[in-house]
Amino acid sequence: KQEVTQIPAALSVPEGENLVLNCSFTDSAIYNLQWFRQDPGKGLTSLLLIQSSQREQTSGRLNASLDKSSGRSTLYIAASQPGDSATYLCAVQTGANNLFFGTGTRLTVIP
Amino acid sequence: KAGVTQTPRYLIKTRGQQVTLSCSPISGHRSVSWYQQTPGQGLQFLFEYFSETQRNKGNFPGRFSGRQFSNSRSEMNVSTLELGDSALYLCASMGLNSAGELFFGEGSRLTVL
Repeated sequence: KQEVTQIPAALSVPEGENLVLNCSFTDSAIYNLQWFRQDPGKGLTSLLLIQSSQREQTSGRLNASLDKSSGRSTLYIAASQPGDSATYLCAVQTGANNLFFGTGTRLTVIP
Repeated sequence: KAGVTQTPRYLIKTRGQQVTLSCSPISGHRSVSWYQQTPGQGLQFLFEYFSETQRNKGNFPGRFSGRQFSNSRSEMNVSTLELGDSALYLCASMGLNSAGELFFGEGSRLTVL
């Protein structure tokens, strides 16, 4: 069974700092990997999707990489802002069309 | 373009009752999947429907069921509610050309007393 782990569980950084969130998965047979953001009590907002054949995707200040062979993905956030404070979740999609989620990293950006 | 809409947003039930939650996907999306989110277990996949057929199912008891209508709207039902069913239930839709990208609704928060 696919297991997804995110480290660290929580992270606090001062505003303006660059940061990296980590995601690892046990089975490299994935269809894609997605990064989501979740604000307290809200649903998930899709940030980036990386297909299994891709190595990275970028959107604004966000860059996600994927190394399938080692079962790892990173989400890089440049020049962090207080509005980036949220829980970040990674999820891997298998061929069976369901997602396996990590437990998330709770990010706090301090003004 | 409207996003994924879930109703109701909040509800409170007592043990033994049943509940039905509704999800309207993004227009044109035919795949709808459901997830349960709890502090202890995180996000767990319940089931996925495509063109009114259940295509995949997670590891939940038979008390959890769902269906999808011809307009792609989906409902999930939980019968004989237990305290442990208290959770945020999230629905996501996916389009045929979205490369597997899921779009989530705001969720339905169920509290079982």
